[in-house]
Amino acid sequence: GQSLEQPSEVTAVEGAIVQINCTYQTSGFYGLSWYQQHDGGAPTFLSYNALDGLEETGRFSSFLSRSDSYGYLLLQELQMKDSASYFCAVSYNQGGKLIFGQGTELSVKP
Amino acid sequence: DAGVIQSPRHEVTEMGQEVTLRCKPISGHNSLFWYRQTMMRGLELLIYFNNNVPIDDSGMPEDRFSAKMPNASFSTLKIQPSEPRDSAVYFCASSFRLAGPRGTQYFGPGTRLTVL
Repeated sequence: GQSLEQPSEVTAVEGAIVQINCTYQTSGFYGLSWYQQHDGGAPTFLSYNALDGLEETGRFSSFLSRSDSYGYLLLQELQMKDSASYFCAVSYNQGGKLIFGQGTELSVKP
Repeated sequence: DAGVIQSPRHEVTEMGQEVTLRCKPISGHNSLFWYRQTMMRGLELLIYFNNNVPIDDSGMPEDRFSAKMPNASFSTLKIQPSEPRDSAVYFCASSFRLAGPRGTQYFGPGTRLTVL
């Protein structure tokens, strides 16, 4: 079957860097996505990796190692507004279906 | 673009009643997804459509749940009869296509369902 693991909570201070890890077990892996969800809001897309390596989008970067079934989301220059839940999600079997992790709640402190 | 539109935003109903949730995907997107989110089970995919055709409904919890997509701009998720354990936030999402970066899913604001 498919499963993903990510930490349930992470706390960091404003201006710091934080890394949220995600390990997965899935057959027919296609890509790893990251979504952000603020309390009471909808998940919004942050980043996607299909190939090994680092993808950078502004303050956010995402990394994938297919051989290790591992990825991470890196958030730099943390701001209070980054306090949210972050989900990794795996697509497989040529895309389409997304399986989401349980989410990591990030708290940014002043 | 208005984004994915869902209605109603909140629904409170009594056990045994029929509930219909509605979704309008982003114009031009040909894939549509229904999710359910609860504290206990997280974000679960219920069913998804491609070009209005149901592709995978293996996440639909039981026969009380049904979904339709009669055209490219409208989908419904129906629960009949509803039970308290169906209480959750139901999200609809759409994407331009299924796979890859262009398969990025855009979520609607969700419908918060409470079954008493």
